[in-house]
Amino acid sequence: SQQGEEDPQALSIQEGENATMNCSYKTSINNLQWYRQNSGRGLVHLILIRSNEREKHSGRLRVTLDTSKKSSSLLITASRAADTASYFCATSTSGTSGSRLTFGEGTQLTVNP
Amino acid sequence: EAEVAQSPRYKITEKSQAVAFWCDPISGHATLYWYRQILGQGPELLVQFQDESVVDDSQLPKDRFSAERLKGVDSTLKIQPAELGDSAMYLCASSLGGQETQYFGPGTRLLVL
Repeated sequence: SQQGEEDPQALSIQEGENATMNCSYKTSINNLQWYRQNSGRGLVHLILIRSNEREKHSGRLRVTLDTSKKSSSLLITASRAADTASYFCATSTSGTSGSRLTFGEGTQLTVNP
Repeated sequence: EAEVAQSPRYKITEKSQAVAFWCDPISGHATLYWYRQILGQGPELLVQFQDESVVDDSQLPKDRFSAERLKGVDSTLKIQPAELGDSAMYLCASSLGGQETQYFGPGTRLLVL
């Protein structure tokens, strides 16, 4: 079952604009990760934010985490056509079987040149 | 740069036939994962290995799916017999530890006719 829910499901913007994607989850987490997937390919890890962190930056990416609201956001600044892809949030949780990564449904981002 | 290898990249089979997918994780990664991704959805964990041991197969349909990692390195996922609903992308990933970044292979796209 999917824990994370991404919003919006699809986003279309012009090159140079910023793109913001949101993720909500239901249970306590160890960390939250964002991945990118180009059409028909495997997933590529973008950034990991731990449960005791509130904000993290990596190049043009900015991730925030609000554990009180059980939500995270991914901001891509100055978007490029090459950023067109599906973006997934994934929550790492601990259970009886050890740690598990649970992915959301994804946001399809289209950056128009 | 080390990558996760998967084969085949594409597989077309008829229902009731047996299929097998192979994965070679990044050298030194003790944790290996198999995911199934239905078109338009996020990946869903099927099975997780720590070295040669299964630590989570709660979502694996054990009546038809099996997975092994005999020497704690490469892994095979088998479906027998395949059903129409098994058509999906099968992704393999590996990580150093269970909570950290996962590195994904390119996936095997399965079509069951």
